[in-house]
Amino acid sequence: DAKTTQPNSMESNEEEPVHLPCNHSTISGTDYIHWYRQLPSQGPEYVIHGLTSNVNNRMASLAIAEDRKSSTLILHRATLRDAAVYYCILRSADGLTFGKGTHLIIQP
Amino acid sequence: DTEVTQTPKHLVMGMTNKKSLKCEQHMGHRAMYWYKQKAKKPPELMFVYSYEKLSINESVPSRFSPECPNSSLLNLHLHALQPEDSALYLCASSQIPGPFGGELFFGEGSRLTVL
Repeated sequence: DAKTTQPNSMESNEEEPVHLPCNHSTISGTDYIHWYRQLPSQGPEYVIHGLTSNVNNRMASLAIAEDRKSSTLILHRATLRDAAVYYCILRSADGLTFGKGTHLIIQP
Repeated sequence: DTEVTQTPKHLVMGMTNKKSLKCEQHMGHRAMYWYKQKAKKPPELMFVYSYEKLSINESVPSRFSPECPNSSLLNLHLHALQPEDSALYLCASSQIPGPFGGELFFGEGSRLTVL
């Protein structure tokens, strides 16, 4: 799997938007960009995924750069329940290989 | 039903024991995965089953033996494990294997302690 690079941690305030960046400069044409999050003592939870176009769902939005070498996960209004480790992953032929992820801290 | 169910939730075993972890999904998914996660680390892929056949083995030691008896069930047989194998073992499934297979659904994991 191609690699992704994310900041180790980010901090945000409750009820404010959060932008989580991810670099994936070696992405190939068929790699989908996936985001998962993991709360303590739980399995990873799917957040969103996309290929080329920006995507929205009830949890978040995914903004994909035109050259696809980076993407940003947007949480529109963070709550304390959004505190988790967020993983940006490239889904290729051999499953999902996790990078180190970003530990998101939400301040009340 | 959009759940992946893993049993047991907790398992303690000695180095000479033989035990198994079980994973079940009833979403009709044809790809299933085993991941291992150590504390404060990301999950590491161990095995991938595609249409009930082992398609990827990430150089996992033979003391871990996966099995996929049918499209809904995935087992991980454990034998002669070492204390460093203590970890959270996660099972996941997706509609089909490969990049077009959509999202992975994860179970809550089985926490294994090897004494």
